[in-house]
Amino acid sequence: AQSVAQPEDQVNVAEGNPLTVKCTYSVSGNPYLFWYVQYPNRGLQFLLKYITGDNLVKGSYGFEAEFNKSQTSFHLKKPSALVSDSALYFCAVRDMGTDKLIFGTGTRLQVFP
Amino acid sequence: NAGVTQTPKFQVLKTGQSMTLQCAQDMNHNSMYWYRQDPGMGLRLIYYSASEGTTDKGEVPNGYNVSRLNKREFSLRLESAAPSQTSVYFCASSESTGGSPLHFGNGTRLTVT
Repeated sequence: AQSVAQPEDQVNVAEGNPLTVKCTYSVSGNPYLFWYVQYPNRGLQFLLKYITGDNLVKGSYGFEAEFNKSQTSFHLKKPSALVSDSALYFCAVRDMGTDKLIFGTGTRLQVFP
Repeated sequence: NAGVTQTPKFQVLKTGQSMTLQCAQDMNHNSMYWYRQDPGMGLRLIYYSASEGTTDKGEVPNGYNVSRLNKREFSLRLESAAPSQTSVYFCASSESTGGSPLHFGNGTRLTVT
């Protein structure tokens, strides 16, 4: 069965430091992977996706994600965190059988001044 | 450009009451979705419509019905609300299923007492 896991409920980082939000996946075949961000009282917003090509994917707001096939991971990264990056982040993988997205349970990122 | 618009923003129902959540998108997208978001469970797909005139069940369809009224509009109906349906409901749209990013509305917060 296709699945995605976000092992950390919360990640805390100081402003200006690099941040990583972890995601691992389990799919048969080549994965389509996505990151979304949710700010309070808002819907999810698309950040970036990996379908094929370069393992380092760049997205919105300075975020990037690294696809690692051997470790079945797709971690979200940013070189220098901002307080305004504080939000809930969701990793998602395309279920090849149903063609739908399967979302992780989310990781809350807190960036402290 | 409004994107995905959901109404209402908030709703309180008594057990057994019915209601319809409305969703409209102005991006000429083919596919539309209804998700529910519950703490610690991420987003779960209730129903989706891959294209105008088609609807299919998602992961948690029981207790819900949907109507794809036209290409723009996709409504979700609760015929007899139950406390277990207390949740935040999100409508989303995409150009197609699979690799297209989802665009989300801002959600409807529903409480069933």
